Formats: sequence, C-alpha cells, structure tokens
Amino acid sequence: GALVYQYPRRTICKSGTSMRMECQAVGFQATSVAWYRQSPQKTFELIALSTVNSAIKYEQNFTQEKFPISHPNLSFSSMTVLNAYLEDRGLYLCGARAGQNTLYFGAGTRLSVL
Amino acid sequence: QQKVQQSPESLIVPEGGMASLNCTSSDRNVDYFWWYRQHSGKSPKMLMSIFSNGEKEEGRFTVHLNKASLHTSLHIRDSQPSDSALYLCAASRSGGSNAKLTFGKGTKLSVKS
Repeated sequence: GALVYQYPRRTICKSGTSMRMECQAVGFQATSVAWYRQSPQKTFELIALSTVNSAIKYEQNFTQEKFPISHPNLSFSSMTVLNAYLEDRGLYLCGARAGQNTLYFGAGTRLSVL
Repeated sequence: QQKVQQSPESLIVPEGGMASLNCTSSDRNVDYFWWYRQHSGKSPKMLMSIFSNGEKEEGRFTVHLNKASLHTSLHIRDSQPSDSALYLCAASRSGGSNAKLTFGKGTKLSVKS
C-alpha cells in the first residue's frame, strides 16, 4: 500500500537556527507533494505545492527564502525551516499523491522552538 | 479569511449515536471535497471524497454534497469511541496532481461511552 514517511518525527531547535525535514513516498510515485503546517491552534495551512515538471508554488505568507523545498525525484522531498522562531512551531505534514489519487499524509515532523 | 469553514468546532455524541459534521467553501471554483480523519498524534487519513451532487455511503459513513451551496456534510451513524478524532474537510478546484487542497480547521468529535 501507499505510505509516506516523514523524519524526524520531532525536533527542537534554538530560536534563529534552521532545521531540515524529509518526506519519502513508499509504494508509489509521488507526482505531487504538498507541505502543510498544523499550528498549535490546529489551523491547517498549505505552505507549498510541488508538482513534477513544474515550479514549486508557495502560498501567501510562505516563501522559498524561508521554507526552501527540494523535490529531486518522484519519491523524495525535503523542506527546511530557516531561522526558526516561535511562530514557526507546529506539526509539519507532507502529503504526497500519485496523479489524481488520494493525498496521503506522513505522520509529520513536530517542530518546537526554544 | 478561512476559505473552508467547518462546524461545529467540537461535538460530543453518545456511543451509538449519530454525528453530523458540516463544511462549506467560500471559493466558488471548487469542485472536489474531501473528508480526512486525524486521531490524536497521528497523520490525517482520507475517509471519503465526493465530487458529484448527492450522497455517498461507505459503511457507517455518509457524505452529502450540494454543489450549488458548496456545502458538504459527513454523517457517522452508530458512533464508536474509536471515531473520536479531528475531522478535517478539504476542497480543491480540480482532482489532478496539481490540485491544491485547502483544509478547514476541523471538527473535534468525542464519542462518549
């Protein structure tokens, strides 16, 4: 079956530092990968959508300069949170889909900022 | 402004009861609706999707869609304690691989035994 692995599951970083999180699709080829953030208030925000053969599209309030994403092949994507601050805390979810099929989510990377 | 509004924010139903959750999109261009369930500490998992007007049933779960009002609802009959979770509604303008799913804040369902 289709699985999406995210790692690390949890990470703590000091304010102003950066951290990288990874997402791997297993059992299918992810033609698109979406990165979301679920905030402590449970707001579910789309950060960016990365589709094969297209530029990565960032949503309003999120930029490539802050959240650079790499999507080198159909099974792997990574995102870095640069200069993390308190407002960047939350659960970062990677959703991967193959074509028009279901968007499968990984278990997320929970980011805490000290 | 949230483009996908869900109500209620939280809901408590007795075991065996019916849970009804609502979702409306303010984006008139959406065509596809999705319902996800997220248990505490877990990733959201797709429950059901609906693209056509009407009703779709899968076991204890029934989804309705009214495309004119951009309103969808999820009904869970014979609710079980294991149904306690955050239910997320998402809408998108297409079903293709570049479809952008916009999620609501969710409805927290608690089923009490």
